[in-house]
Amino acid sequence: DTEVTQTPKHLVMGMTNKKSLKCEQHMGHRAMYWYKQKAKKPPELMFVYSYEKLSINESVPSRFSPECPNSSLLNLHLHALQPEDSALYLCASSQGEGVYEQYFGPGTRLTVT
Amino acid sequence: AQKITQTQPGMFVQEKEAVTLDCTYDTSDPSYGLFWYKQPSSGEMIFLIYQGSYDQQNATEGRYSLNFQKARKSANLVISASQLGDSAMYFCAMREGTGYSTLTFGKGTMLLVSP
Repeated sequence: DTEVTQTPKHLVMGMTNKKSLKCEQHMGHRAMYWYKQKAKKPPELMFVYSYEKLSINESVPSRFSPECPNSSLLNLHLHALQPEDSALYLCASSQGEGVYEQYFGPGTRLTVT
Repeated sequence: AQKITQTQPGMFVQEKEAVTLDCTYDTSDPSYGLFWYKQPSSGEMIFLIYQGSYDQQNATEGRYSLNFQKARKSANLVISASQLGDSAMYFCAMREGTGYSTLTFGKGTMLLVSP
């Protein structure tokens, strides 16, 4: 089973809203990631969690707040977003350190109005 | 300098023909991995194939094979017998080092398969 699930599939939110994106994997992977992808561009790394601890934050604005409640779950809390934050948000997981492939979820298409 | 270069913004191929998508990489780390992902219009990034820097043989997965030329630092994806469902964006990516490291993506190649 190489499945990573993400909810919701689509999200429309206003600039004053607070919402959360959820990601789940049951492959026993110890590393989980959030990426942001704009149209016709490659994914850009936002955050990496390794063994449930934040390992990498790629200078992401504080209006994005990640959380890893346990080894299977990864959340991305959104608050006071801007229209330019509209994008596809992808979650991924991998076995952990080293050169392992990452498995991606289907993504959440976020529109900020 | 870009770490992953995909020089073909778009490629066209007829159904049942083979197609090669180019990827060159740049790293000074002796340990690295090269990956190809497929992204259909639905958005999901689908892992296709992996090649490790120490692997002696080219990786193959069904209709996908990776033409790994280490001296040239190239890792081209070959899709044999193209199918209409192969139409998608294809990304080449690299992870460096044996410790913790992130995935660096190329800009992608859009492949269109025609009947």
